[in-house]
Amino acid sequence: SQQGEEDPQALSIQEGENATMNCSYKTSINNLQWYRQNSGRGLVHLILIRSNEREKHSGRLRVTLDTSKKSSSLLITASRAADTASYFCATVPLGNTGKLIFGQGTTLQVKP
Amino acid sequence: GAGVSQSPSNKVTEKGKDVELRCDPISGHTALYWYRQSLGQGLEFLIYFQGNSAPDKSGLPSDRFSAERTGGSVSTLTIQRTQQEDSAVYLCASSLEIAYSGNTIYFGEGSWLTVV
Repeated sequence: SQQGEEDPQALSIQEGENATMNCSYKTSINNLQWYRQNSGRGLVHLILIRSNEREKHSGRLRVTLDTSKKSSSLLITASRAADTASYFCATVPLGNTGKLIFGQGTTLQVKP
Repeated sequence: GAGVSQSPSNKVTEKGKDVELRCDPISGHTALYWYRQSLGQGLEFLIYFQGNSAPDKSGLPSDRFSAERTGGSVSTLTIQRTQQEDSAVYLCASSLEIAYSGNTIYFGEGSWLTVV
């Protein structure tokens, strides 16, 4: 079963607005990663946050992690039409594992 | 090539036939992963390989599914006696070390399998 639950499932905003996506998970993790997927094909790694980190930034992306609530959020600031895609969070469970557990994803539409 | 390469890009097969999907990871990457994504769904873990260690096969949905990785490089995912519910995109990924290490995981473009 999937560990991650994401909300909202779909998000539609105007260009220039900020987009916030949330992810919740069930078990202790080693790290949490966010991915982007265009047109249902290959995924692109966006950002990784380790369990001992609380916030990370990369360009217009900001990720937060609250391990006490088992949740993470991805903020995209000043969105562009090109940000239109599906966004997935994926957790790596605690331990020496290669397994990534993905959420169901948030579909983001940015209107020009 | 610079990225993870998968073939075929698209495959249509008849129910009951066997299919093989191939993955060429990024050179030097010791970890290789297979995931499956049904239409409009998230990714479902199938199997991962790490160096010479025994693979983690815990995500394979049935004994019709198998995968091997020869010489620590190329991997083949085989689905025997395909069923319509096997229709999905099969995504391969690789990373320098396995996921818990925090290395970036690179995904291929996937193989879209349709069973008719």
